[in-house]
Amino acid sequence: DSGVTQTPKHLITATGQRVTLRCSPRSGDLSVYWYQQSLDQGLQFLIQYYNGEERAKGNILERFSAQQFPDLHSELNLSSLELGDSALYFCASSGGAGLTGELFFGEGSRLTVL
Amino acid sequence: DQQVKQNSPSLSVQEGRISILNCDYTNSMFDYFLWYKKYPAEGPTFLISISSIKDKNEDGRFTVFLNKSAKHLSLHIVPSQPGDSAVYFCAASATGANNLFFGTGTRLTVIP
Repeated sequence: DSGVTQTPKHLITATGQRVTLRCSPRSGDLSVYWYQQSLDQGLQFLIQYYNGEERAKGNILERFSAQQFPDLHSELNLSSLELGDSALYFCASSGGAGLTGELFFGEGSRLTVL
Repeated sequence: DQQVKQNSPSLSVQEGRISILNCDYTNSMFDYFLWYKKYPAEGPTFLISISSIKDKNEDGRFTVFLNKSAKHLSLHIVPSQPGDSAVYFCAASATGANNLFFGTGTRLTVIP
């Protein structure tokens, strides 16, 4: 158990809809990262938050947004969903602002867009 | 553009033998490399890492080798055990970057 909690584990929705994925980092970790893993792809970095502030941005679509709340949990919002958004979305956490070591990953949220 | 590449999608090895998983990278700014292991229905878990100032790091049955001139790293598992069967991801980062770049993974199957 990494200590990172993601909900929901599975989500099925239709094109054009909006979903929210939730992540609770390990106790004490201030950084939250979001990654997307599409079929047969590596994990693609989407965005990082540190202590409530956006820290780094990767290949995140404009239809996607994220935030980190004062209690340090984070939400990834995906809107105007397309079939290609079907993927496994991972949240990871670490203690510091910079990447100085390993990331601890949650079990992922599998999104299926029909 | 895939900056970290794992060209072998799968690998099968007999129990007790050596497993060698390979990874190539293109970005010369990468200076920290990690291997993650992923079981089905679980998130990736950290396995071993290496800094670019080293060319080898060992942890029990797991050894990572780094060849900076070839921009290549490999993970050796000796002896391989059935419980090692998983997907292995190579990842890399650069100093000051807040991102890990991941390869597409290699599925290792250790045959009893």
